[in-house]
Amino acid sequence: AQSVSQHNHHVILSEAASLELGCNYSYGGTVNLFWYVQYPGQHLQLLLKYFSGDPLVKGIKGFEAEFIKSKFSFNLRKPSVQWSDTAEYFCALHAISSGSARQLTFGSGTQLTVLP
Amino acid sequence: DTGVSQDPRHKITKRGQNVTFRCDPISEHNRLYWYRQTLGQGPEFLTYFQNEAQLEKSRLLSDRFSAERPKGSFSTLEIQRTEQGDSAMYLCASAPPSPLHFGNGTRLTVT
Repeated sequence: AQSVSQHNHHVILSEAASLELGCNYSYGGTVNLFWYVQYPGQHLQLLLKYFSGDPLVKGIKGFEAEFIKSKFSFNLRKPSVQWSDTAEYFCALHAISSGSARQLTFGSGTQLTVLP
Repeated sequence: DTGVSQDPRHKITKRGQNVTFRCDPISEHNRLYWYRQTLGQGPEFLTYFQNEAQLEKSRLLSDRFSAERPKGSFSTLEIQRTEQGDSAMYLCASAPPSPLHFGNGTRLTVT
């Protein structure tokens, strides 16, 4: 079965610092990858997604992620964080050839706190 | 707002009682999912509908749980004989088929 690992449970940064959140997955087949964000009191929102093609994908609010197939990774980056980026970030995987329904497998999340 | 709507937002119930949650997906989305999220964890898949057909259920979905989507529009998730371990956030998502759009969830507390 597939799995997603987010090793950083809580990251604390000052405004304008650069961000990189790790995401590694376990699955040998074709995958679609996603990053979702959950702001305090709000629903999960899609930040960006990778289906195929250019492994560097850009999302909303200046976020980007790079799919490195050889490392089974899909790390999230932002050059300069803002206080408003404080939220919980979830990496998720859809295993294309698993034979199961099209549900997502989520990591356990990374809480990002940006200090003003 | 034409997003995914869930009702109620919060539910407190006593152990052994039955509870039912409702999800109204985005109208043009034919896929509907239920997830459960506990503190410190990411959402875990429970079940999936394509239109009115329930196509997959997770092993997490014990026989006390049942979900329906009778006309391929809204969906209900019922938990019978609730247990304290059922306390969690129950999330609904819909998709056109991709990506998933989530609702705000229903937070269930079983006392």
